[in-house]
Amino acid sequence: DQQVKQNSPSLSVQEGRISILNCDYTNSMFDYFLWYKKYPAEGPTFLISISSIKDKNEDGRFTVFLNKSAKHLSLHIVPSQPGDSAVYFCAASAGKGGSEKLVFGKGTKLTVNP
Amino acid sequence: DVKVTQSSRYLVKRTGEKVFLECVQDMDHENMFWYRQDPGLGLRLIYFSYDVKMKEKGDIPEGYSVSREKKERFSLILESASTNQTSMYLCASSGGGHITGELFFGEGSRLTVL
Repeated sequence: DQQVKQNSPSLSVQEGRISILNCDYTNSMFDYFLWYKKYPAEGPTFLISISSIKDKNEDGRFTVFLNKSAKHLSLHIVPSQPGDSAVYFCAASAGKGGSEKLVFGKGTKLTVNP
Repeated sequence: DVKVTQSSRYLVKRTGEKVFLECVQDMDHENMFWYRQDPGLGLRLIYFSYDVKMKEKGDIPEGYSVSREKKERFSLILESASTNQTSMYLCASSGGGHITGELFFGEGSRLTVL
């Protein structure tokens, strides 16, 4: 049973526009959520996170929104740049927010067209 | 610059061979992890370790074992490789009691089993 779902395997946007990547989860015990970015032939890199006590966290062009009642989070990238083209993984953990039991979604491949 | 280093980027092995995948981190992290990444399946946790000589099964441990004799090194072992173990293997580490859930990943080892 998939606890973290990224229902869109791919997304294509124009440079300068907003990219919105979505993630849904089923486990109400999850209290920490993270987004990772992965380029081909490289390991994933941490992008941004949010604790369940917040509903928004912003870092430059990247903003993560959390809707606990809907068990939904989203990553907004504004403005999108060609270098943002990558696979984005949503991840969640339970307990103290420790990374030891991160559960990952299947990823969304973002393509930003010049 | 902090780093997680995986010894082999690309390996080709035959069915039944014993395979060792080595991972070293230079961040003095307590926690280390092995994931595999497959198209359409995302990142799945194989094994993890909280401390030297300690190991915990992840979601898909069958067919794998691990070794953590030193804090900086975490090895993944395929006792008898099979074709369904063809995959990208990713090692990661994180600090003990880490509250942000951030994992640092290596660049990955692409294993092909013929």
